[in-house]
Amino acid sequence: KQEVTQIPAALSVPEGENLVLNCSFTDSAIYNLQWFRQDPGKGLTSLLLIQSSQREQTSGRLNASLDKSSGRSTLYIAASQPGDSATYLCAPDPSGNMLTFGGGTRLMVKP
Amino acid sequence: SAVISQKPSRDICQRGTSLTIQCQVDSQVTMMFWYRQQPGQSLTLIATANQGSEATYESGFVIDKFPISRPNLTFSTLTVSNMSPEDSSIYLCSVGWPNTEAFFGQGTRLTVV
Repeated sequence: KQEVTQIPAALSVPEGENLVLNCSFTDSAIYNLQWFRQDPGKGLTSLLLIQSSQREQTSGRLNASLDKSSGRSTLYIAASQPGDSATYLCAPDPSGNMLTFGGGTRLMVKP
Repeated sequence: SAVISQKPSRDICQRGTSLTIQCQVDSQVTMMFWYRQQPGQSLTLIATANQGSEATYESGFVIDKFPISRPNLTFSTLTVSNMSPEDSSIYLCSVGWPNTEAFFGQGTRLTVV
């Protein structure tokens, strides 16, 4: 059974810092890995999808890397802004969109 | 991509009653799923909604408690039956196509009193 761990569980930083959010998973037999953002009481917004044949994906200030063999993914957020405050969730996918979620990293960016 | 409409967005229900949550997608999708997010927790997969056949439930979830329908490729419902306060959660619908990005609805926030 896939188990997903996200570190740190919570993070509070001043605006402008570059951030690193970590995700580890126990079963490396995955096809994709997705990073999501969740605002309080809301649904999930997809940030980045990394396919297993890729090692990283970039979207704006976000960059996600994937090392399948070691069961790790990292989300980098450059020049953080207060609007980045949210919970970030990592979800490896064995195929077919049946996602297993980590506990998330709760991010607070202070102005 | 897919635009997902989930209804209701929130509800407060009496224990012992049932609530049906609807998930409507703006395009035909292969995969539809239902997740639960208990307070302060991450998401847990309840079941895969299969078009034209019975849903496939994950360990710990049963059809009598969470009956699911999927009459076509754009619509599904999840019913939370005989509710208790422990069922208070956010319920989310997810859709996608094999080996591509998954998309989520905005969720239904359920409070059972």
